[in-house]
Amino acid sequence: DADVTQTPRNRITKTGKRIMLECSQTKGHDRMYWYRQDPGLGLRLIYYSFDVKDINKGEISDGYSVSRQAQAKFSLSLESAIPNQTALYFCATSDLKPGKQYFGPGTRLTVT
Amino acid sequence: QKEVEQNSGPLSVPEGAIASLNCTYSDRVSQSFFWYRQYSGKSPELIMSIYSNGDKEDGRFTAQLNKASQYVSLLIRDSQPSDSATYLCAVNTHSGNTPLVFGKGTRLSVIA
Repeated sequence: DADVTQTPRNRITKTGKRIMLECSQTKGHDRMYWYRQDPGLGLRLIYYSFDVKDINKGEISDGYSVSRQAQAKFSLSLESAIPNQTALYFCATSDLKPGKQYFGPGTRLTVT
Repeated sequence: QKEVEQNSGPLSVPEGAIASLNCTYSDRVSQSFFWYRQYSGKSPELIMSIYSNGDKEDGRFTAQLNKASQYVSLLIRDSQPSDSATYLCAVNTHSGNTPLVFGKGTRLSVIA
């Protein structure tokens, strides 16, 4: 089984809908991250969490929220989806040193 | 704003040649440097890390770091078509208490 899983893998939704992307990990890492990737813009950090009680905004947090339900689970929500949130979303984990990050397979989200 | 800059490419090299990928960073206190490889439609994976000035070799890959020039590079010897991917440079500033900053990536194409 994969160490970092994301659900769903693909999602098409309409403008204004609330959507949740889920991430689970079995690596036992405390640190978890959410990124979005757009062509030509690279990976951009949305939110990160260094432990269950720690939530931090990243570079592009507007329009997103997160929940760290347990060490192994970190969810990303789009409260009211808009078309420019169409992107590939990655969850990642790391141990105490963030350099070695383990990425999930990604969720391709399309907002119409 | 901490920045990591990479040429977006595509960088095209013939099979068997040396591919040279470059990265510059803006924050002088950066301490840790990483190269991730991302195949099209897949998630990034760590291939090299380097922490001190000089060269670090791992198989066909060599990472080079020059902190005075704020420059890190990745050399791929005997390039293979399977090396065709996007290569992301990532930098960590402090001792591990801040997330990685990623460059936008360089797309490498190895021509058979």
